[in-house]
This record gives sequence, structure tokens and C-alpha cells, in this order.
Amino acid sequence: GEDVEQSLFLSVREGDSSVINCTYTDSSSTYLYWYKQEPGAGLQLLTYIFSNMDMKQDQRLTVLLNKKDKHLSLRIADTQTGDSAIYFCAERDGQNFVFGPGTRLSVLP
Amino acid sequence: SQTIHQWPATLVQPVGSPLSLECTVEGTSNPNLYWYRQAAGRGLQLLFYSVGIGQISSEVPQNLSASRPQDRQFILSSKKLLLSDSGFYLCASSGGHEQYFGPGTRLTVT
Repeated sequence: GEDVEQSLFLSVREGDSSVINCTYTDSSSTYLYWYKQEPGAGLQLLTYIFSNMDMKQDQRLTVLLNKKDKHLSLRIADTQTGDSAIYFCAERDGQNFVFGPGTRLSVLP
Repeated sequence: SQTIHQWPATLVQPVGSPLSLECTVEGTSNPNLYWYRQAAGRGLQLLFYSVGIGQISSEVPQNLSASRPQDRQFILSSKKLLLSDSGFYLCASSGGHEQYFGPGTRLTVT
């Protein structure tokens, strides 16, 4: 079946850039997503990218998609303490969404 | 965009008791609706999804069930809770390309 993988932890210093990586297996995925989850809260949709695009930028967020390698990344510029959270990558498979395990981003002062 | 309401926010229930979690959606019509469970420090497990009233697909066999009595209402139930049912339950709605989540219900079975 479909599988989405992410590294589980990432630590960066405040003001640096963060890059969270994700790989997926379903080559027919039409949309790929990044969600943010703060402690005790639901998932917040940050951004998504259509599979025929290779880059999407939204303020401090840049999404890069390498469809050939089935690799998706989220870059957060000028990372702030408020960016500390778990970040989930997801792909759309028909009516369903397949999520990765989440990457816990820690921002150090 | 859509707004998803879930209640209660937290719930502590004894083993063997029944469960009813409710989710309602605003800002869209005829959405696909989803129930996920998130164990502590883990990713999301899809439990049920629904593409319309009365239409429920189950992804994981268990002692939970789901119902969709109205277009924008999704209910998660159990007749007898197990300890392993503890977790964070998230309702989600998708009316197009995007999927939006509710605030979640933290269930502790004691």
C-alpha cells in the first residue's frame, strides 16, 4: 500500500532555515500536503502542492517537489520559536489522505 | 474555508462504558468526512471515512463504529470501550483538494 516517510526529529536555531523532508510511494498522487500540529491541537493545513508543480512559495514557506524521486520538502525561512510543532506530510490517494509519522521540529533560542 | 467542531474536548471513561463523539462541519456541503485516531507521539490512523449520508467505510476492524445521520454530522461510537481505545480523536472534512481538521477529542479510558 501507499507509504509516506519522514524523519522524526529536527532541531534548528532560531533565525535559521528549517528543511523537513518527506518521501512517498504512490506515483499517482495528485496533491501533496504539509500540516502543522501544536501540542493538544488538531492539524492545521499549511500548504499543498499539485503534482505537476515543482515549487510553491508562501511567505516563509517553500515547498519543493521532486516527482521523479517522490521527494517532498518544506523549507521554513527565519524559523521562530512559534514554529516549534510536529509537521506532517500527506499525499492524496483517491478519497483518502495518507499521512507520514510527523517530524517534531524544535527551535532552540 | 471550512470549520469543524468536535465535542467534547476531553473525556475520561471507564473500560466497558459506551462512547459517542460528535463532529459537525460548517462552510461546505456534501463533504467527505473522516475519523482519525492519534496515539501519543504517533502519526494518524484512519478509522472511518464517509462520502455521503449513511455511507461509511471502515479502514481498521475494531470495536468502534461511525454514523453519518446528516450531511455535515459525523459520529464515532462504541458500545464497550477498551483501554486501547485511549487516544486523540480527530475529525476531518474535505470538500475539494484540501482537508481540514477539528480541534480533536482527548479520550482516556481508565
